[in-house]
Amino acid sequence: DVKVTQSSRYLVKRTGEKVFLECVQDMDHENMFWYRQDPGLGLRLIYFSYDVKMKEKGDIPEGYSVSREKKERFSLILESASTNQTSMYLCASRTTGSGEQYFGPGTRLTVT
Amino acid sequence: ELKVEQNPLFLSMQEGKNYTIYCNYSTTSDRLYWYRQDPGKSLESLFVLLSNGAVKQEGRLMASLDTKARLSTLHITAAVHDLSATYFCARRIAGPGRLYFGRGTQLTVWP
Repeated sequence: DVKVTQSSRYLVKRTGEKVFLECVQDMDHENMFWYRQDPGLGLRLIYFSYDVKMKEKGDIPEGYSVSREKKERFSLILESASTNQTSMYLCASRTTGSGEQYFGPGTRLTVT
Repeated sequence: ELKVEQNPLFLSMQEGKNYTIYCNYSTTSDRLYWYRQDPGKSLESLFVLLSNGAVKQEGRLMASLDTKARLSTLHITAAVHDLSATYFCARRIAGPGRLYFGRGTQLTVWP
């Protein structure tokens, strides 16, 4: 079974803090993704990576950066957290066969 | 941009009834995916539809794809409470394989 894990299920941070969200997959997938999910807005793509050290902006990259130093790990960084970044963050990795994306359990981030 | 529209966004149905969720998309692209999300949980893959005319079934759920009409449907047969969840469809474009998601259909099945 594909396993995608995220470093925290719940996280509370203060405005202005630097926040790291980590995602690890164990299936040697090349492509990994970060989404945020907000009520009424569905899933929105923040960044994705199609190889180590390669990244592409998604639809809402402002206020975020990413890092992919190893194939299995994709990190999302909030450089200076703001209250409007309070959200559920979902990581996914993609198999090359069917193109299906497998999602991690999510991190519910609250910025106060 | 590949737009994906689902309807209805909210669906309340009685156990034992049938209903269909519709997923329309704006431009041609390959592959259509259906996901399920339980409250407070992550997304779980239900179906991958790879080509025109594809039909997949799992229990009381059946998904189909009509690429000419740019439409996928998720049909629910004889609904049960356990099917209560939010269902998302998503389309893929080639290359890195990013998905474009619909806004989701929140399904509630009541006795």
